[in-house]
Amino acid sequence: SQKIEQNSEALNIQEGKTATLTCNYTNYSPAYLQWYRQDPGRGPVFLLLIRENEKEKRKERLKVTFDTTLKQSLFHITASQPADSATYLCAGHSSASKIIFGSGTRLSIRP
Amino acid sequence: EAQVTQNPRYLITVTGKKLTVTCSQNMNHEYMSWYRQDPGLGLRQIYYSMNVEVTDKGDVPEGYKVSRKEKRNFPLILESPSPNQTSLYFCASWTSMSYEQYFGPGTRLTVT
Repeated sequence: SQKIEQNSEALNIQEGKTATLTCNYTNYSPAYLQWYRQDPGRGPVFLLLIRENEKEKRKERLKVTFDTTLKQSLFHITASQPADSATYLCAGHSSASKIIFGSGTRLSIRP
Repeated sequence: EAQVTQNPRYLITVTGKKLTVTCSQNMNHEYMSWYRQDPGLGLRQIYYSMNVEVTDKGDVPEGYKVSRKEKRNFPLILESPSPNQTSLYFCASWTSMSYEQYFGPGTRLTVT
């Protein structure tokens, strides 16, 4: 079956370092990958979308890559801050309307 | 303000008692979807809609119904809820121009 896997359930890093989160997909080829941030008790909030023909996308301190050979997307937060602590979700579109989410990575940034 | 609203936010009910969770968006988005979120399983798509009167099953549609009679509304219906439908439910909407999903605040449902 089609799957999105976020291998790290939790990631703890020191403030100021770069956080790198991994998303792997299997048994399909998503045309888009998206990254969302979710805070406890809240709905996910969109961060970035990258298309399969794009290698890299940036937005302020965020960077996402899409490697169709490795079937993987990496999500980076540079100069991380305690306010970046949240759960980050990866999602792949197999069509405009069918979307598969990973189970998320809980990121903790310690001061 | 662009938003997706859901009601109720919290609901405790008993097995077999029909319920409806409402979802409304004010952005004129053509796509809408319902998800359930369970610990360790992430968000799983229940149903989605591509436009008025056009809906399709997601990965976990069993025990749920939806309808899309108006573009802004996409209610989720549980005809005979069971305890395994206890979960956190999210509604989302988006447009094909950006695919950026806007999520509602969530509905926490407990079925006893």
